[in-house]
Amino acid sequence: DSGVTQTPKHLITATGQRVTLRCSPRSGDLSVYWYQQSLDQGLQFLIQYYNGEERAKGNILERFSAQQFPDLHSELNLSSLELGDSALYFCASNQGLSNQPQHFGDGTRLSIL
Amino acid sequence: GDSVTQMEGPVTLSEEAFLTINCTYTATGYPSLFWYVQYPGEGLQLLLKATKADDKGSNKGFEATYRKETTSFHLEKGSVQVSDSAVYFCALSTEAGGTSYGKLTFGQGTILTVHP
Repeated sequence: DSGVTQTPKHLITATGQRVTLRCSPRSGDLSVYWYQQSLDQGLQFLIQYYNGEERAKGNILERFSAQQFPDLHSELNLSSLELGDSALYFCASNQGLSNQPQHFGDGTRLSIL
Repeated sequence: GDSVTQMEGPVTLSEEAFLTINCTYTATGYPSLFWYVQYPGEGLQLLLKATKADDKGSNKGFEATYRKETTSFHLEKGSVQVSDSAVYFCALSTEAGGTSYGKLTFGQGTILTVHP
């Protein structure tokens, strides 16, 4: 058990819809990272938050947004969903330093019909 | 930008065989290097790490040495087991400043299947 909790485990929705993915980091970790895993793109970094503030941005679409709340949990919001957004979305956490390993949740599998 | 290249897979071995999965990297800063493993239906688990040149990371019989001169971090295990069947990812992170505060850059992953 990594200590990182992601909900829900599975989401099935339709094109054009909006969904919210939730992540609770490991106790004591201040930084949350979001990644997308798909067959064609592999594992891609989306965005990082540190203690409530956005710290780094990767290949995140404008239709996607995220935030980290005062209790350090994070939410990833995906809107105007397209078929190509179907993927596994992972959250990871650490204390924010690059030489520290990141601890991953089990992911949310998003299926767009 | 940063990139990680892993050997082409999948890799199929018999139990007790020797395993090598090659990993090379390109980084603008001085990276930390990681191997993660993903079992079916699960998230990524840290297997081992190395944070400076010539460091050797090791865990559960797996080893990898940070080679700065060849920009490599190859994963090895002397005797694989059926339970080692999984997907293995090589990854790096750098303190490059600007917008690169520790994000992981992953290789494409290598599927390992071990037969009894």
